Amino acid sequence: GENVEQHPSTLSVQEGDSAVIKCTYSDSASNYFPWYKQELGKRPQLIIDIRSNVGEKKDQRIAVTLNKTAKHFSLHITETQPEDSAVYFCAASARDNYGQNFVFGPGTRLSVLP
Amino acid sequence: SAVISQKPSRDICQRGTSLTIQCQVDSQVTMMFWYRQQPGQSLTLIATANQGSEATYESGFVIDKFPISRPNLTFSTLTVSNMSPEDSSIYLCSVGKSMGNEQFFGPGTRLTVL
Repeated sequence: GENVEQHPSTLSVQEGDSAVIKCTYSDSASNYFPWYKQELGKRPQLIIDIRSNVGEKKDQRIAVTLNKTAKHFSLHITETQPEDSAVYFCAASARDNYGQNFVFGPGTRLSVLP
Repeated sequence: SAVISQKPSRDICQRGTSLTIQCQVDSQVTMMFWYRQQPGQSLTLIATANQGSEATYESGFVIDKFPISRPNLTFSTLTVSNMSPEDSSIYLCSVGKSMGNEQFFGPGTRLTVL
């Protein structure tokens, strides 16, 4: 089955700097890669996603890149702000006979220091 | 995106009892899922709730322990049976409006088993 690894597990950056979180996956059939942000005590929120037919996607300060050959994808946050502090989860999704199956990475705790 | 609610938001239960968690969506959705998130951990898929048929369980989760119902396209329940302290966790439902893969999470149910 699918296995998703995520690095680093914790990340501290100064406000205004960039943050990069990397994920690798094992199942070459995976075709959809979302990123979720989870603030303390709240539900995971979908912040950006990318499909296997696209190499890069950007939404304001957030971008995601995908390298299907190497089976890894990354989240890039530019001009970080204190409100970006949260736990970020990547996931990989592959279609199977039952529909789709998300496997989440272990998460990255991002702290943006003012 | 759909508005998703869960009941109860939290509960404290005694060992050996059962708790049923409800997930309600304000619009019809194709896919509904149940996840577990243990303290400080990532999200683990328990099962896919299928409308009109038995749920599809992931490895390590069984119907006797986590019976699931999905009577229609807007509602599902997850029961945590014969609870032990190891079942203390946050349980989240998520929904996907179509086979386009995006999933959105409910607010979660925080369960503590004494």
